Amino acid sequence: DTAVSQTPKYLVTQMGNDKSIKCEQNLGHDTMYWYKQDSKKFLKIMFSYNNKELIINETVPNRFSPKSPDKAHLNLHINSLELGDSAVYFCASSQDHGGGTTQYFGPGTRLLVL
Amino acid sequence: GNSVTQMEGPVTLSEEAFLTINCTYTATGYPSLFWYVQYPGEGLQLLLKATKADDKGSNKGFEATYRKETTSFHLEKGSVQVSDSAVYFCALSDRGNQGGKLIFGQGTELSVKP
Repeated sequence: DTAVSQTPKYLVTQMGNDKSIKCEQNLGHDTMYWYKQDSKKFLKIMFSYNNKELIINETVPNRFSPKSPDKAHLNLHINSLELGDSAVYFCASSQDHGGGTTQYFGPGTRLLVL
Repeated sequence: GNSVTQMEGPVTLSEEAFLTINCTYTATGYPSLFWYVQYPGEGLQLLLKATKADDKGSNKGFEATYRKETTSFHLEKGSVQVSDSAVYFCALSDRGNQGGKLIFGQGTELSVKP
């Protein structure tokens, strides 16, 4: 009964390729997020969606395009992959986007761009 | 802007030692504060949180008190176990219109030796 799931868990690809990462939550939450964790383990918000609507786009290159077909899913498509995109990408969800709400994280997708 | 600063790791302790991981924050508003833990190869899990000044969050023997006067949220545990080895992240979430995003510190790696 995974609360927040991501696929794939690992992704190894060549520079210039296009890839997608999928995220699903079964918690009934309204808000979903994408975070990027770099090689030094620093975590930074990329996007936030509330009820399928984009509410945060944190100056991410437009090669990254999130899509939320419904409020239980938030996918991340990356065009023209670059070496610097290698990282762990975490999806998260929360009941709402109020300041004190707890976010629940997926297991992460480890992307390696060669 | 808002930011979180944690003590640098790695921190290495013997089993049953006392743990303190310092965390200070800068915020324009009145944030909620969190500690998340990341076990090797896994996503982040909420460890504890506090949403207002002088609140104490606690879980699994860990504690942290929201100190507005010193803008701190230090994590403590009286007696660590080998199973506590992980990376610990302090984070804040602004109650203003920030879309619920978490702003993380750089993480502190804890290694507990038997």
